[in-house]
This record gives sequence, structure tokens and C-alpha cells, in this order.
Amino acid sequence: TQLLEQSPQFLSIQEGENLTVYCNSSSVFSSLQWYRQEPGEGPVLLVTVVTGGEVKKLKRLTFQFGDARKDSSLHITAAQPGDTGLYLCAGRGTSGTYKYIFGTGTRLKVLA
Amino acid sequence: EPEVTQTPSHQVTQMGQEVILRCVPISNHLYFYWYRQILGQKVEFLVSFYNNEISEKSEIFDDQFSVERPDGSNFTLKIRSTKLEDSAMYFCASSEAKGPYGYTFGSGTRLTVV
Repeated sequence: TQLLEQSPQFLSIQEGENLTVYCNSSSVFSSLQWYRQEPGEGPVLLVTVVTGGEVKKLKRLTFQFGDARKDSSLHITAAQPGDTGLYLCAGRGTSGTYKYIFGTGTRLKVLA
Repeated sequence: EPEVTQTPSHQVTQMGQEVILRCVPISNHLYFYWYRQILGQKVEFLVSFYNNEISEKSEIFDDQFSVERPDGSNFTLKIRSTKLEDSAMYFCASSEAKGPYGYTFGSGTRLTVV
């Protein structure tokens, strides 16, 4: 069974601080996605990474896929209150599967 | 921005009753999915659907569950005889292809079984 563990589970920081969220597994993934979810809403896709070592930037967010495609990180620079939300990673296996397995989530709160 | 539409947003049903959750995926998408999220828990895969048939399903998706694309636009999830533990947010998603393409999720249907 593929599992994705995210850390930390909860993070409360001041506006302007930097932070990194981690997504780890013992399984290899063909692709990995990061989503943000607001209360009562569906997850919204932020990025998809496919190649080991790949780095993608989305404004103040930097996403990295591990060289072995087993882990990923999300780094936010100069966090803002609007970044508050639940961040989810989701990985797709290498066996031709259709499904993405979601991680346990990191709940981020950015205080003004 | 194209979106996935789900109805109803909330559904309360008695245990043992049948419910149908409805979704309108993005029009040019070919792959459709149902996920659920029990309060405070992970988003869990239920089923994927392509070319008018189930392409993959999880252990959760037992005989009580079925999916259908009755016309060219709707994608439905039916739970035949609801149980208390079926209470969750149910999310529909669609993607344009099977590869590393992101899903577009709907806003979900909150199902409460009493």
C-alpha cells in the first residue's frame, strides 16, 4: 500500500516568514501533485512534477520532486495570510494506475 | 475558468436509503473520478471512469457503490443502501488525459447519513 506522509501536520507562522512542507513515501511515483484546499471546498491543483529532481516555481511557492521520485517539498517564501489553508500532496504510482494517493495534509496558518 | 459542478452541495439521508450524487465534469475531459474525505481524514480514491466503464476502483468501492455517465455531460455516484460510515464529503474530479495531468475537483457534496 502506498502511503504519503506529510510534515509538519500543523504550522502556524507570522506573515513574512519562510516555511517548507515535506511529503515523503517509501514508494516511487510517476508524478506528484500539490493541492491547496479551503474549508468546505475541493482541492485546487497548484503544480504537477514528473521528473526526479524537478523544481517548479509558482510566484512565492517552490516545489521540488526528489531525485528518486519518492518525496517532494513545498517551500513558501515570505508567507502571507492568503496562503493559509490545507496543503495536500498526491502521488501517482508507476504501475499504470489512474489514481492519485493523497497525503495526510499540512494545515498552514499565517498570522498577520 | 472551466469548472466541475457538483449537486447537491449538502445531502442528508436516512440510513439504508439510496442516494445519487451528481457531477458535471469539464466538457473536453475524458477521465472522471470520485474521491471522498471523511471529516478530519485524508482524501481517498473511490473510482475512476473512462470510455464508459470503470477503469480502476478502490477497496472502499464495494457493491453498494456504482457510477454512471447517463448522458454526455453528467457523471453520477450512487450509494445503494447508505450506512452511517458513508458520511463524508464526496468530490468529483475530471482530467483531460491519463498522464500526469492535474485533476480539476468540484466543490463536493457533503453527505450526512443519520
